[in-house]
Amino acid sequence: DGGITQSPKYLFRKEGQNVTLSCEQNLNHDAMYWYRQDPGQGLRLIYYSQIVNDFQKGDIAEGYSVSREKKESFPLTVTSAQKNPTAFYLCASSIIRQGGAYGYTFGSGTRLTVV
Amino acid sequence: AQKVTQAQTEISVVEKEDVTLDCVYETRDTTYYLFWYKQPPSGELVFLIRRNSFDEQNEISGRYSWNFQKSTSSFNFTITASQVVDSAVYFCALLMDSSYKLIFGSGTRLLVRP
Repeated sequence: DGGITQSPKYLFRKEGQNVTLSCEQNLNHDAMYWYRQDPGQGLRLIYYSQIVNDFQKGDIAEGYSVSREKKESFPLTVTSAQKNPTAFYLCASSIIRQGGAYGYTFGSGTRLTVV
Repeated sequence: AQKVTQAQTEISVVEKEDVTLDCVYETRDTTYYLFWYKQPPSGELVFLIRRNSFDEQNEISGRYSWNFQKSTSSFNFTITASQVVDSAVYFCALLMDSSYKLIFGSGTRLLVRP
């Protein structure tokens, strides 16, 4: 079955460490996204990528980095510069149609906790 | 600016009651898309419906129904005869035409008690 796989489901990080969240999709979608969810809040866009080797900052990109070396993969690195990294992270992908996103699909998320 | 407001933070109902989740959006664009997602305790976002701005027909899918009213910028979601399995956080979201970013409301937590 096609879908998005995020790993790990739970991740613990010590303060000052970088950590990378994995996101893989086999839907053949061109665009991929990372969203952050905090308790009682909606999702906020961190980064997105429309094509391999290109990506754009979302609303809260500071302290994060991404890469898009393959169409199927869009890993997110939470750096030590991110002041409050404890959150739930959701990866998504979509088709591109008429210059915009169509058919968003979300992964099951990674819950990151800084200890 | 675009914005989605879900004023109901949490709703608690008894099983078999009907419940309506409110969603109000703001945009000056004429072409946009509205979504509802369900987030169960496991965390994944489950797609429920997508509606474009030119289609104001209400939609019914089983126990779920949606009321889209451009005049009041609202896209409300009703669950008829609620069940315990409906307990989740529900998000309303807005996508502008030719955009990539989904704009989410803050979500409504629905608790259906047996």
